[in-house]
Amino acid sequence: DIQMTQSPSSLSASVGDRVTITCRASQSIGKYLNWYQQKPGKAPKFLIHDASSLQSGVPSRFSGGGSGADFTLTISSLQPEDFATYYCQHSTDGPTWTFGQGTKVEIK
Amino acid sequence: EVQLVESGGDLVQPGGSLRLSCAASGFIFSNYWMSWVRQAPGKGLEWVANINQDGSDTPCVDSVKGRFTISRDNARTSLYLQLNSLRSEDTAVYYCARINYGSGRGFDYWGQGTLVTVSS
Repeated sequence: DIQMTQSPSSLSASVGDRVTITCRASQSIGKYLNWYQQKPGKAPKFLIHDASSLQSGVPSRFSGGGSGADFTLTISSLQPEDFATYYCQHSTDGPTWTFGQGTKVEIK
Repeated sequence: EVQLVESGGDLVQPGGSLRLSCAASGFIFSNYWMSWVRQAPGKGLEWVANINQDGSDTPCVDSVKGRFTISRDNARTSLYLQLNSLRSEDTAVYYCARINYGSGRGFDYWGQGTLVTVSS
């Protein structure tokens, strides 16, 4: 099974900061990489698909990059509503799928 | 408007069974793969199982093989998860989610979740 490893597990940042989260797959997954945002007590929200395509309605300060085994999620200017936990997830022809362990973005 | 509404979560003893349901509306249910994803208290997301449009393909995570069964009723636009031989480590919020093959096979819509607690 493909394992997904996110780093860091948590980070503290201020409003306006540029934040980058990394996701590494245990083998190449092409561009089959999705990103989600989850706030406490809520269901996850779909942010990015195919490594770099923004889901409809997601602010342009979010961007994704990478291919193969190494991927990034970048928030160009952190806003108060962006404090949340972020998860990557691969969706290859598995048949099984996995999520990264999550990255919690906290207020500094 | 796409809506997914889970139900059926409860407190159950170890070794017990439970059936979760997810009522879908606002889209052509029979056109989509569907999925169950769970989240243990204070932990991350864990993919549980997928099901294709006609129910003939149902991959699942190794930890639930032989115990959980995903199914669907396209006429009732409903998704199900039968949970048998429950263990304490199955305690989690269970989400149903729609898989969008046009968006990288991502989970584009989620329900609000239903809590399963396995405890004596």
